[in-house]
Amino acid sequence: NAGVTQTPKFRILKIGQSMTLQCTQDMNHNYMYWYRQDPGMGLKLIYYSVGAGITDKGEVPNGYNVSRSTTEDFPLRLELAAPSQTSVYFCASSRSVYGSGSRGTQYFGPGTRLLVL
Amino acid sequence: QKEVEQNSGPLSVPEGAIASLNCTYSDRVSQSFFWYRQYSGKSPELIMSIYSNGDKEDGRFTAQLNKASQYVSLLIRDSQPSDSATYLCAVVLGGSSGSARQLTFGSGTQLTVLP
Repeated sequence: NAGVTQTPKFRILKIGQSMTLQCTQDMNHNYMYWYRQDPGMGLKLIYYSVGAGITDKGEVPNGYNVSRSTTEDFPLRLELAAPSQTSVYFCASSRSVYGSGSRGTQYFGPGTRLLVL
Repeated sequence: QKEVEQNSGPLSVPEGAIASLNCTYSDRVSQSFFWYRQYSGKSPELIMSIYSNGDKEDGRFTAQLNKASQYVSLLIRDSQPSDSATYLCAVVLGGSSGSARQLTFGSGTQLTVLP
């Protein structure tokens, strides 16, 4: 199992450009998440999904969009990139939601480092 | 008040010592608590979860939870240089639905174990 994979590893965007961060998991997990981590900070939840076709906003959704057409994939779309979106983006997945023991454990991908200039 | 607070550190301990990491949270009804380790430039990995008051031990790691005082701590015994990392406390804060039931992370404590 590859676990959670993310592409690209690193990207530089100009202000106003758009891009899609890809996330794929091969563990047949229902739950998937997108976080951003700014330097010296913890992770903040952007969006999450509880299954194909179902997504919901997290703490910091502005400037982002997501879709979940399959169990495996959960892409994150940045429209009109801004310097404030410079960050490291982590995708994660879990079998279930927290409160359900080990099934709620979140597994993280390696991250995408994004620089907006 | 931040929802999940940690001392940012850095915390330095000599090899073989006990490292003590602390975390406080704001929501009295929180039920699930986690410690993640994050090496520089890497993704977080879960090292401990705790749901009940008291201690939970796993090898050199012990998580301690006190819901009345709203704090959770992580003890690392016999600290090794390979334990040098940032430790993130994460809490499922109270709330009936939606993102309120998702993980909220502290900003992390940077630990350095000196050889």
